[in-house]
Amino acid sequence: EDQVTQSPEALRLQEGESSSLNCSYTVSGLRGLFWYRQDPGKGPEFLFTLYSAGEEKEKERLKATLTKKESFLHITAPKPEDSATYLCAVQPGGGSYIPTFGRGTSLIVHP
Amino acid sequence: DGGITQSPKYLFRKEGQNVTLSCEQNLNHDAMYWYRQDPGQGLRLIYYSQIVNDFQKGDIAEGYSVSREKKESFPLTVTSAQKNPTAFYLCASQDSHNSPLHFGNGTRLTVT
Repeated sequence: EDQVTQSPEALRLQEGESSSLNCSYTVSGLRGLFWYRQDPGKGPEFLFTLYSAGEEKEKERLKATLTKKESFLHITAPKPEDSATYLCAVQPGGGSYIPTFGRGTSLIVHP
Repeated sequence: DGGITQSPKYLFRKEGQNVTLSCEQNLNHDAMYWYRQDPGQGLRLIYYSQIVNDFQKGDIAEGYSVSREKKESFPLTVTSAQKNPTAFYLCASQDSHNSPLHFGNGTRLTVT
């Protein structure tokens, strides 16, 4: 069974205080790993796709990395507008195409 | 602009009534999904459809039903058999199995 575990569940940072969010996974043949951002009362918004170990993607203050067992979302010098819940999902290969989501990390950045 | 539209944003119903949540997409995506999101539980899959006129149960399908008569539309009916229907419901579509999901902005259903 595919599993995705995100940690920590909640993270509070001061503005400018860099940190990382973790997404550990077990999956039968990784087709892709996805990061999303979700604001309260809204649907998740796609951030990154990572396909193979060693791959990295960047967007503004966010950088996503991937190994064979986990992915990190690094947040450099965060701002209050980065406050949101960050979701990780894996798309398995083989016969099942259904993505499995983690429970998310709730990030609050204080000014 | 292409996207997914869920309506209504808020829905209130009395216990024992069936209710249908709308999901429409103009992205020309084959696959569509319905998720339920509860605090601290993450996204749980209710139903999914890979093509028109075909759909499959997800992890928590009991008390729900769907139809996929058109590629653009994937409505979800929450029946009176669903024991805890109050939740935030999210619809999503997907272009291919290597692609991310595109989500609507959800419907918050409250049953009293």
